[in-house]
Amino acid sequence: EVQLVESGGGLVQPGRSLRLSCTASGFSFGDYAMSWVRQAPGKGLEWVGFIRSKTYGGTAEYAASVKGRFTISRDDSKSIAYLQMNSLETEDTAVYYCTRDFSSSGSGITFLDYWGQGTLVTVSS
Amino acid sequence: EILMTQSPATLSVSPGEGATLSCRASQSVRSNLAWYQQKPGQAPRLLIYGASTRATGIPARFSGSGSGTEFTLTISSLQSEDFAVYYCQQYNNWLSITFGQGTRLEIK
Repeated sequence: EVQLVESGGGLVQPGRSLRLSCTASGFSFGDYAMSWVRQAPGKGLEWVGFIRSKTYGGTAEYAASVKGRFTISRDDSKSIAYLQMNSLETEDTAVYYCTRDFSSSGSGITFLDYWGQGTLVTVSS
Repeated sequence: EILMTQSPATLSVSPGEGATLSCRASQSVRSNLAWYQQKPGQAPRLLIYGASTRATGIPARFSGSGSGTEFTLTISSLQSEDFAVYYCQQYNNWLSITFGQGTRLEIK
């Protein structure tokens, strides 16, 4: 059974940093691209970014709203994906979901077939 | 960036009736369109991909259609568990994705 479990959320002051983790199980983690999607309270879904599999360089792409502030990385030996969030703003307050891309090629982002339960990040002074 | 626009924002339908939700892309995404269902307090669930292919375990009352810029999600004979928010998502270039703003399907 595929499982994605996010952790690391919480309350953080504006301008500070936070790192989220996504622990995966039930599939060959290293084969898949992994994405982060967020949802502000009462709002819709916003894609944050994704990381390719190591086969395709393990490089990442980001939404314009977070580019330069957020970094996605992965540790295939531990089946964990990370979202490092720096220079946090109040507008970053959201539930952050870790997701698996459907395609096992790991080369790009398509659609998201498994989602974690989400972790809440609140940016406030 | 490809913008996705869903309509209506809210749809009120009685149980047992059908519902049609629309999604429009600002430019062609071919058939690279997915639909998700989200219930309160839960993560989204994949319903449809490739515009018309049901994901594993999705009931046949859910169907998707369209290509290019116009897409439709049809739910026949609504069950109580179908009342939720539905999102469309495009994945045309494998570099980024965008979601529609969602349609809330509520009980009439």
